[in-house]
Amino acid sequence: RKEVEQDPGPFNVPEGATVAFNCTYSNSASQSFFWYRQDCRKEPKLLMSVYSSGNEDGRFTAQLNRASQYISLLIRDSKLSDSATYLCVVKSVGFQKLVFGTGTRLLVSP
Amino acid sequence: DAGVTQSPTHLIKTRGQHVTLRCSPISGHKSVSWYQQVLGQGPQFIFQYYEKEERGRGNFPDRFSARQFPNYSSELNVNALLLGDSALYLCASSSSRTGTDTQYFGPGTRLTVL
Repeated sequence: RKEVEQDPGPFNVPEGATVAFNCTYSNSASQSFFWYRQDCRKEPKLLMSVYSSGNEDGRFTAQLNRASQYISLLIRDSKLSDSATYLCVVKSVGFQKLVFGTGTRLLVSP
Repeated sequence: DAGVTQSPTHLIKTRGQHVTLRCSPISGHKSVSWYQQVLGQGPQFIFQYYEKEERGRGNFPDRFSARQFPNYSSELNVNALLLGDSALYLCASSSSRTGTDTQYFGPGTRLTVL
């Protein structure tokens, strides 16, 4: 079983749609949680950290459920520029190893 | 401010050869981590170095080695290349050894092994 599991997609949505991505992790010692965005053939870039209380950054909302070991990302009012692969990432306390999911590909069409 | 830089951007090698990839972290960052990203997969952790010492190692064979220099730049070496080593190699820097600070990724080196 992979340590971080995501639906690979692709998710094809029209502009303006709301889309949700889910992710589960298996290591209960995980302490930090993130969503990274990766454009085609580019490096991953931090989209947002994820906190237990939930957090929002503009059109993006992230949620964490530690009991279920489940992380989500909601994108509202999708833009063409949101087309990318979204990587769910967890980190255990102690050192800087990030554990990535396979990524979920999002395609936003006009 | 300059971000993380990596060289070369692209590299083509043949099986059995060795390769050296280079990374310069963001100024002031002392931690460098290396990741391998195979097509269609998420990045996989290879090494972390902090203050020139190895602080973490992923599940990679001994053909993979790395080091960090006094100026905090780093090299990743891969010996006896296999076709399966073809991947995007990413370097990430951060300011602390274990903290929750953000890791910033460089643009990567795309390695093709023929």
